[in-house]
Amino acid sequence: QKEVEQNSGPLSVPEGAIASLNCTYSDRGSQSFFWYRQYSGKSPELIMFIYSNGDKEDGRFTAQLNKASQYVSLLIRDSQPSDSATYLCAVSGSARQLTFGSGTQLTVLP
Amino acid sequence: NAGVMQNPRHLVRRRGQEARLRCSPMKGHSHVYWYRQLPEEGLKFMVYLQKENIIDESGMPKERFSAEFPKEGPSILRIQQVVRGDSAAYFCASSPSPKDQPQHFGDGTRLSIL
Repeated sequence: QKEVEQNSGPLSVPEGAIASLNCTYSDRGSQSFFWYRQYSGKSPELIMFIYSNGDKEDGRFTAQLNKASQYVSLLIRDSQPSDSATYLCAVSGSARQLTFGSGTQLTVLP
Repeated sequence: NAGVMQNPRHLVRRRGQEARLRCSPMKGHSHVYWYRQLPEEGLKFMVYLQKENIIDESGMPKERFSAEFPKEGPSILRIQQVVRGDSAAYFCASSPSPKDQPQHFGDGTRLSIL
């Protein structure tokens, strides 16, 4: 059974701080890694994707991947109240389907 | 709107009725994926389709559920003889190709069973 585990929330950070979201996965054959943001009652919105070990930065977001440790993370710098949402880690392999974690609820306090 | 289009946004059915959910992928995308999100649960894969082909239906319940993606028209997720436990948000995602391409999600169909 392929599993994706996310650190249990909820996570609260003050406005302007760095939010750190973590994810581990069980399938060593996983090839692609994604972070989606989901506001309550809305659909998942793609935030970042990463395929290779290391860091990938896009604006205030940085995704980090360590395949040896089977670990992927998302850092959000200068967190804003509008970043308050549930963040979903998703992993895919040769089967192409996405396996999602249960999500981490982030609250950014003004 | 060039995004993934799903309709209806909300669907109410009585137990025993049929539900049909439609999904039109983003322009240029030929790969469609359906996911289900039960209340207070995570997103679960159901089925992956290309035009006229079901590629992977390993996440589909064995009974009452079917999916298609015809040569012309949207992908359809069909649920026959709905039960209360089918109440969920059903999301469709699409990608231009399966290899290393992020999947983009539609707004979903919220299915409620009375």
